Amino acid sequence: DVQMTQSPSYLAASPGESVSISCKASKSINTYLAWYQEKPGKTNKLLIYSGSTLQSGTPSRFSGSGSGTDFTLTIRSLEPEDFAVYYCQQHNEYPLTFGSGTKLEIK
Amino acid sequence: EVQLQESGPGLVKPSQSLSLTCSVTGYSITSNYWGWIRKFPGNKMEWMGYISYSGSTSYNPSLKSRISITRDTSKNQFFLQLNSVTTEDTATYYCARYVKHLRGFAYWGQGTLVTVSS
Repeated sequence: DVQMTQSPSYLAASPGESVSISCKASKSINTYLAWYQEKPGKTNKLLIYSGSTLQSGTPSRFSGSGSGTDFTLTIRSLEPEDFAVYYCQQHNEYPLTFGSGTKLEIK
Repeated sequence: EVQLQESGPGLVKPSQSLSLTCSVTGYSITSNYWGWIRKFPGNKMEWMGYISYSGSTSYNPSLKSRISITRDTSKNQFFLQLNSVTTEDTATYYCARYVKHLRGFAYWGQGTLVTVSS
């Protein structure tokens, strides 16, 4: 199985700041990486797929980059609604596997 | 708008079977792929498997022969059965629609907590 190592597991930031979350795969997954947002009381949201393509409805302050084994989710100019848990997930091969999550909290 | 809703028992005894239903509205399950994902205490997420538009299935090998995903197209529902559960199967279970051309789960249910305990 492809192991996905996500870091940091916890991140505190203030509205207006920019943050980055890393996701590293145990082997190359080309660009086949998705990012999700999890918020209490809401269904999980697909933010980005294929490493850098924004899903419809994802604000442009979100961006994804990377290929091979190293990927990054960047959120520029944090809004209050961005404080949530973020997961990466590889979709290059089966079984599909997820990162362990990053909790982004307000500083 | 596509909506998914999980339902089923919140408590299952060890060695018994866990059975969940995912009811889908706003989209036919005869299109795309429909999966089950679970999140363990501590936030580890695991893809369990999915059923395709044609009824074919794909499972996570870690679940070996314990898992079965089936569907009822007349009710627009699909189902998860996990046999011989242990306390390690305690998790929040999500159903989700996997969109192949996006290679991502674009729609999720709210999730349902299933506790395995005697």
